[in-house]
Amino acid sequence: GEDVEQSLFLSVREGDSSVINCTYTDSSSTYLYWYKQEPGAGLQLLTYIFSNMDMKQDQRLTVLLNKKDKHLSLRIADTQTGDSAIYFCAESMDQAGTALIFGKGTTLSVSS
Amino acid sequence: GAGVSQSPSNKVTEKGKDVELRCDPISGHTALYWYRQSLGQGLEFLIYFQGNSAPDKSGLPSDRFSAERTGGSVSTLTIQRTQQEDSAVYLCASSFLLSGELFFGEGSRLTVL
Repeated sequence: GEDVEQSLFLSVREGDSSVINCTYTDSSSTYLYWYKQEPGAGLQLLTYIFSNMDMKQDQRLTVLLNKKDKHLSLRIADTQTGDSAIYFCAESMDQAGTALIFGKGTTLSVSS
Repeated sequence: GAGVSQSPSNKVTEKGKDVELRCDPISGHTALYWYRQSLGQGLEFLIYFQGNSAPDKSGLPSDRFSAERTGGSVSTLTIQRTQQEDSAVYLCASSFLLSGELFFGEGSRLTVL
């Protein structure tokens, strides 16, 4: 069955890089996503990567995909206190959608 | 409205009562999703709608849970005979067609005493 695993907590100091890791089980995943949830708010799409890519960069965010190992990571450069949130990795099976399968989320805590 | 709207934002109920949670998606979004977020459990998929039909109900935890969507817009999630383990934040999301870019509401926090 489908399963998405993430570590639950990450603590970094302001200005450092943060790396949040995710593993997924279904090799047929077409798209992989990172969502961010700030305290008291709904989830918001941060970025996504298509399964035939191995890297995507968007300002301070870098997504790396190792399809062979089914490993996805999100790197946040120059982490700020405003980046403190829960980060969810998610996969979808095909272009037509079906519901996203989310991991349990990684709580990122940034200290100044 | 501009975003996904959910009501009520908070609901406290007694065990055994029925509750209804409402979701108003972004106008024009054809797909609508319900997830449940519990402490330590992450996001649990419940059900999704494409238009008014629900092709995948596999995530509903028990037959006490049901959902409907009418007119391709508003959806209600109904929980009958609530139990304490139903306490969670119920998140609704919508998307244009079946897309991975989901727009989430702020959730309805349900507390069953």
